[in-house]
Amino acid sequence: ETGVTQSPTHLIKTRGQQVTLRCSSQSGHNTVSWYQQALGQGPQFIFQYYREEENGRGNFPPRFSGLQFPNYSSELNVNALELDDSALYLCASTRDAGSGANVLTFGAGSRLTVL
Amino acid sequence: KQEVTQIPAALSVPEGENLVLNCSFTDSAIYNLQWFRQDPGKGLTSLLLIQSSQREQTSGRLNASLDKSSGRSTLYIAASQPGDSATYLCAHTGGYNKLIFGAGTRLAVHP
Repeated sequence: ETGVTQSPTHLIKTRGQQVTLRCSSQSGHNTVSWYQQALGQGPQFIFQYYREEENGRGNFPPRFSGLQFPNYSSELNVNALELDDSALYLCASTRDAGSGANVLTFGAGSRLTVL
Repeated sequence: KQEVTQIPAALSVPEGENLVLNCSFTDSAIYNLQWFRQDPGKGLTSLLLIQSSQREQTSGRLNASLDKSSGRSTLYIAASQPGDSATYLCAHTGGYNKLIFGAGTRLAVHP
């Protein structure tokens, strides 16, 4: 097992710009989810992808979008960045999108700062 | 609205103490309850997973219990060590692997 890897680890953007964060899922995991963690808070669910399609979304606006690729790597895209988008973005993978009985494996996160 | 509350928000203890971290949740129809550890600026490490049909799980010095009827879970840490210093997060699954997290308890264990 290779674990979940995320890139970049840190980045700085300015308001209005766009950002793409990347995640490489653990081997054999076909489901990936993304979370936003603001400083001092617990992670908030953004969305989940299963077999390249979004199959669940939290309370985030459409400027947050994602992609999952056939090799199970994925991207989180955020358009028109706002100051409140500054956070740690976490990617997590698991074997299937089913009942929720599976343990998620989290990456180390991408720290985004919006100035 | 599904909510998860963790008490206390922060805790500072001397090495060797036994600790209890509390987690309460409003949704009684949970799939499971997980406890995670997060070191500063890092990702999450799963510590214990309690399925909805279970009452507790143990791993080494850690023991987690789940009472669905009261909407509570506790994480017990025995004989705390400085290396236990981290933020501890509880989360329950709200369907299709969506995790609903509390804000965490920041633990500092000093020698």
